[in-house]
Amino acid sequence: NAGVMQNPRHLVRRRGQEARLRCSPMKGHSHVYWYRQLPEEGLKFMVYLQKENIIDESGMPKERFSAEFPKEGPSILRIQQVVRGDSAAYFCASSPGTGPNQPQHFGDGTRLSIL
Amino acid sequence: AQSVTQLGSHVSVSEGALVLLRCNYSSSVPPYLFWYVQYPNQGLQLLLKYTSAATLVKGINGFEAEFKKSETSFHLTKPSAHMSDAAEYFCAVSGAGGTSYGKLTFGQGTILTVHP
Repeated sequence: NAGVMQNPRHLVRRRGQEARLRCSPMKGHSHVYWYRQLPEEGLKFMVYLQKENIIDESGMPKERFSAEFPKEGPSILRIQQVVRGDSAAYFCASSPGTGPNQPQHFGDGTRLSIL
Repeated sequence: AQSVTQLGSHVSVSEGALVLLRCNYSSSVPPYLFWYVQYPNQGLQLLLKYTSAATLVKGINGFEAEFKKSETSFHLTKPSAHMSDAAEYFCAVSGAGGTSYGKLTFGQGTILTVHP
């Protein structure tokens, strides 16, 4: 049973370009979460999605960032017009439902570097 | 609102020594608490979780943690450190209702170094 798959593992973009990060949850998981890990900081929650719905986006920057989890296909975190400060590791997690007995399983992350 | 404080960003122990990583939480609702481990260039792996069933929780790789409500603590311990335990450890809290289920709030992390 494959784990949470994120791609690409490393992504390099120039300032002003767009970055698209993909996350395929574990089989049977319909809940997806995105976290960002900035250098010297812990992980910060960004957004929580279920299929076709955004449940909680309280951690998403107000501009340039968006997320989706379509009925078919992976979840996408999209960053438009990237800036140097967007350089970070972005982690996706998935769970089959909510609650402590259905903990989140994490992917290996996408490391985004902005030139 | 929830928060987690991990005391000590770096902890260094000798192989075979006791490992103690400290975590204190703040939560306005009964918390669910987790410890995760992160090896370099990898994602987070769940070590153990507290869900109110028992205050002493045993996890993988010989780790355990004790929930102490009076101290709002959830410290992680291991009796004897192995070289393979060297990694970064994160304590996290989530709420017990509504959308707070899905939102993990992490501490800043503690890097554990194990010396031969």
